[in-house]
Amino acid sequence: SQTIHQWPATLVQPVGSPLSLECTVEGTSNPNLYWYRQAAGRGLQLLFYSVGIGQISSEVPQNLSASRPQDRQFILSSKKLLLSDSGFYLCAWSFRGAGEKLFFGSGTQLSVL
Amino acid sequence: RKEVEQDPGPFNVPEGATVAFNCTYSNSASQSFFWYRQDCRKEPKLLMSVYSSGNEDGRFTAQLNRASQYISLLIRDSKLSDSATYLCVVKRDYGGSQGNLIFGKGTKLSVKP
Repeated sequence: SQTIHQWPATLVQPVGSPLSLECTVEGTSNPNLYWYRQAAGRGLQLLFYSVGIGQISSEVPQNLSASRPQDRQFILSSKKLLLSDSGFYLCAWSFRGAGEKLFFGSGTQLSVL
Repeated sequence: RKEVEQDPGPFNVPEGATVAFNCTYSNSASQSFFWYRQDCRKEPKLLMSVYSSGNEDGRFTAQLNRASQYISLLIRDSKLSDSATYLCVVKRDYGGSQGNLIFGKGTKLSVKP
C-alpha cells in the first residue's frame, strides 16, 4: 500500500530564517506530487505541483520554492521566511493521470515569528 | 464570485440528526466534484466523489445540480465522529489533470450528544 510521510509536524521559525520541509511517498512510482498551504480561515491553496523529477510548476508567485530531486521526494524551501508564510503546509500525491484524488501527508504547522 | 463557495458554519446538530451542506461553483464547465473531510489540525481525506446521477455511501449522499451549479452532501443519523470540516472540491476543466483542483474553505460540522 502507498504511504506518504511529511515532517516535521510543527515548526517555529524566526522571520528571515530558511525553511526546508520534506515529503516522501512509498509504495508507488511516478506519482504526481503537490504542496498546499492552508492559512487560518482560508481554503487550501496549491503552491506547487510536479509530474516528474525536476519538473516543478508554480501556481502562485511567492517566497517559496520546491524541488523534486527523486521520484518520490518533494521538498519545499525558502531562503528567508516572512510572517505571511505562516500556515499549515500539506504535501499530497496522486496517481499519474488521476489528479483529482489526492492523498495528503499529515501536514506541518509552520509559525513564523 | 469565488470559484467554490461554502457556508463556513458551524453547523451544530444533535446526534441522530440529518444535516445537509451545499457548495456552489462558478465555472459551468467543471466536470468533477468531490467532498473531502478534514479533522481539526489534520490532513484532508477524500470522503466521496460526486457523480451526475448522485451517489450514496452508507449514511452519506452526494448530489450534483449542474443547472444551478451546486453540489450537496447529506449526512443521515449523525454520529459524534462525523464532527469535522467538510471541504467541497471542484476540478477545473482544462487540459491535464494536475494542479487544477479548487478547494472550498470548508463547512464545519459539530455533532453534539
